[in-house]
Amino acid sequence: AQSVAQPEDQVNVAEGNPLTVKCTYSVSGNPYLFWYVQYPNRGLQFLLKYITGDNLVKGSYGFEAEFNKSQTSFHLKKPSALVSDSALYFCAVVDYKLSFGAGTTVTVRA
Amino acid sequence: EAGVVQSPRYKIIEKKQPVAFWCNPISGHNTLYWYLQNLGQGPELLIRYENEEAVDDSQLPKDRFSAERLKGVDSTLKIQPAELGDSAVYLCASSGTGRSGGELFFGEGSRLTVL
Repeated sequence: AQSVAQPEDQVNVAEGNPLTVKCTYSVSGNPYLFWYVQYPNRGLQFLLKYITGDNLVKGSYGFEAEFNKSQTSFHLKKPSALVSDSALYFCAVVDYKLSFGAGTTVTVRA
Repeated sequence: EAGVVQSPRYKIIEKKQPVAFWCNPISGHNTLYWYLQNLGQGPELLIRYENEEAVDDSQLPKDRFSAERLKGVDSTLKIQPAELGDSAVYLCASSGTGRSGGELFFGEGSRLTVL
C-alpha cells in the first residue's frame, strides 16, 4: 500500500527565515511525489513534483523539495518564508492513485 | 484558460435530504476526480473517471453516494439521503493524463453542512 506521512501538524516560522515542511513516503515501487498548497476556502494548488531525475526539484512561489531515497523523504523547503506562505500544505504520492498526507499548517509571522 | 468549476460553493441541508454537486473540468482533461476533504485532513479519493468510465470507485459509499459523467465532460456527485457525517468539502479535480501524472487541477470545492 502507498502512503505519505507528514509528522508535523503545524510549523511556525518568522518571515525571512527558512521554511521546511516534512514528508515521508511508503510505496512499493518508484515514487511519484507531489506537494500541493491550500489557502483558506480555496482548492488545492500544485506546487511541484518529483518523477525522476535530479533529487532537488524546484517549483512555484520559490519552493523546492529534496527527494531522499535512503530516508524515503520528500521535504518541502523555502529559503526565506513570506507571510503570504501561510497556508495548509499537503504531500502526496502516486502509485495507482494520488494519495494525500494529513497536511501541515504553516504560519509565517511578520 | 478556465479552471475547474464547481457548484454550489456552499450548501446547507437537513439530514435525510438529497444534495447534488456539479463539476466542469478543464477543457480537454479526460480524467476527473471527486475527493472528500474533512476539516483538518487531506483529501480522500471518492471516484475517478477516465472519460465517461468510472475506473476507481472503491471508496465511494454506494449505499448513499452516486456519481455520473455521462458525456465524459462534466460530472455530478449525489448524496441521498445525507447524514450528519457527510458534512465536508467535496473537491473536484481534473488532469490530462490517464495514469494520473499527479498534476491535478482542483476546483474550489463545495462545502456541505448537514444539520
